[in-house]
Order: sequence, then structure tokens, then C-alpha cells
Amino acid sequence: DAKTTQPPSMDCAEGRAANLPCNHSTISGNEYVYWYRQIHSQGPQYIIHGLKNNETNEMASLIITEDRKSSTLILPHATLRDTAVYYCIVRVVNAGKSTFGDGTTLTVKP
Amino acid sequence: NAGVTQTPKFRVLKTGQSMTLLCAQDMNHEYMYWYRQDPGMGLRLIHYSVGEGTTAKGEVPDGYNVSRLKKQNFLLGLESAAPSQTSVYFCASSYLQGTGELFFGEGSRLTVL
Repeated sequence: DAKTTQPPSMDCAEGRAANLPCNHSTISGNEYVYWYRQIHSQGPQYIIHGLKNNETNEMASLIITEDRKSSTLILPHATLRDTAVYYCIVRVVNAGKSTFGDGTTLTVKP
Repeated sequence: NAGVTQTPKFRVLKTGQSMTLLCAQDMNHEYMYWYRQDPGMGLRLIHYSVGEGTTAKGEVPDGYNVSRLKKQNFLLGLESAAPSQTSVYFCASSYLQGTGELFFGEGSRLTVL
């Protein structure tokens, strides 16, 4: 699995968009980008994933650069409940191994 | 539909004792994983399984053993617990096909004295 690099922490004002970056410069052609978040000490929760096209669901948007070496997770209107650790990982969909890094701690402030 | 269930949720061991963590999933997932998370750190993969009867090493497999005798269960064993194994352990599972999304359990907090 390709490794990812994320900033250790970020702040965001409540109601504003939170943009979380991730670098994955060694990503392979068949590896997808996945985002998860972990609130307090709960198990991580899946947010979104994509291969090369931008993706959007009810939780967030995922923007992947054309060269696929980096991506940005966008929470359009951050709330206090979005305060969590966000993990960006890359993996082949049907491959067993799936490794996480240290993630970005997002703090949403009132 | 319970999803991924881990037992026990809390356990205190003395150095040298053994124990087994059980992960059960009711989603008929092929893949199952065990991670550990130390305070302030991300998740590190211990072992994983791509199907019944198969297991493979992850990033930090030393001191742990696993078994996948039934598709729905993935056991993590500590034969001789050490203080360095104090951690929160998470189990996850995913489908072979589909989105590849991982479904996580609530975690098992283990303290080794």
C-alpha cells in the first residue's frame, strides 16, 4: 500500500468548510483513496472513497488531483460534532492489507 | 444486525498472562483485520485475514497470534502479555467485492500491568 502524509492537526470555524489535505505521491494506478474519521476513542467510520474522479456524498466531498498524488477531503459546513481524527489511506479495493497513518486531528471551534 | 462485535471490551492482565480477543461479524465479510492504537497514535495493523482458514502478518505482528477457523470470527491471542501491549485493539471487516469499506468494532481496551 502507498503511504500517505497528512498534517497532524487543523482548526476550523463552525459553519465554515473544512479542507483536509493528503499527499500520496507513490500511489499506484489501481489504488483508491479512502477517508475515515475517528471520534473520541470509537472505531473509525468510513466517509468516502475515490479512484480519480471527484466524489461527493451526504457527508463530504473528495477532490483528487489529476496526477492522483494528492487529495482533499471537504466538509462543507463543519459542526462541532465533526471534531475528530481524519485518516487518509490508499489501498487496492480487493487487496487484503489496509494500513492507516496517524491522521489529522480536526478541531471545529465555535 | 450487530455489525462487528468485540469481546471483551475491557481487560486487565498481569505480565506473562495469556488471553484471547474475539471479533465476530454478521455481514458475511471475507476480510477481517486486527489493529492496535496506542495513546495519541494512529492505527497499526497487527494481522489480517482474507478468508476462512487464512491469516497474514501486518505491520506489528510480534507477540500476537491469530486464527480464522470460521468466516465470521477472527481471534487475536496474546500468549505472554507484556506492558508494551497495553493498547486499544480494534477489529474491522470488509467485503471482497464492492467499495472496500472497512467496518470497525467499538474497540477492546487492554491493560497489562
